Amino acid sequence: EAGVAQSPRYKIIEKRQSVAFWCNPISGHATLYWYQQILGQGPKLLIQFQNNGVVDDSQLPKDRFSAERLKGVDSTLKIQPAKLEDSAVYLCASRTANTEAFFGQGTRLTVV
Amino acid sequence: AQSVAQPEDQVNVAEGNPLTVKCTYSVSGNPYLFWYVQYPNRGLQFLLKYITGDNLVKGSYGFEAEFNKSQTSFHLKKPSALVSDSALYFCAVRDTGDMRFGAGTRLTVKP
Repeated sequence: EAGVAQSPRYKIIEKRQSVAFWCNPISGHATLYWYQQILGQGPKLLIQFQNNGVVDDSQLPKDRFSAERLKGVDSTLKIQPAKLEDSAVYLCASRTANTEAFFGQGTRLTVV
Repeated sequence: AQSVAQPEDQVNVAEGNPLTVKCTYSVSGNPYLFWYVQYPNRGLQFLLKYITGDNLVKGSYGFEAEFNKSQTSFHLKKPSALVSDSALYFCAVRDTGDMRFGAGTRLTVKP
């Protein structure tokens, strides 16, 4: 079966610019996560969706980050405006109720 | 809220020796516990999980983990390490739905 797809793989932007990441989860997976992984650290949960509803966005910096999953399938994560400290790998993962989470390869963002 | 701790930033073992990567957790209810491995420039790959049942869980690539409720631990083990096991290992816990990760332990297996 196809895995979690993310694009782009790499992105370099200047600070104060905006950027968007896309995730296509495994078919039939109702739960979707976005994580931020800063170099040398563990993944930090940004937001969790159940179908098209937000379950947990307590750690999402809402002044600059936004995410949506309009039809309960694909999801986009946006940063506007970006800061230097947003440089990280952004990981998308999905699961069903009874499985572990499956991760995409991530998008490496560099803000200069 | 649930959390995990990986007390060791780095673990070094010789090839052929047993390895242990430690993880302790904190959760209000019954924990779902996971181990993932990350190779350079790759996403996280699932190794094994504990949901319920036997305390000793066997997973991919010869890894296993032991759930210890009294010590709130879920240490990752392998009887004989390979150089190719060198990677970053993450423990994770899921309680109400969201999944939280530890800071990671870098395992280096030397020939």
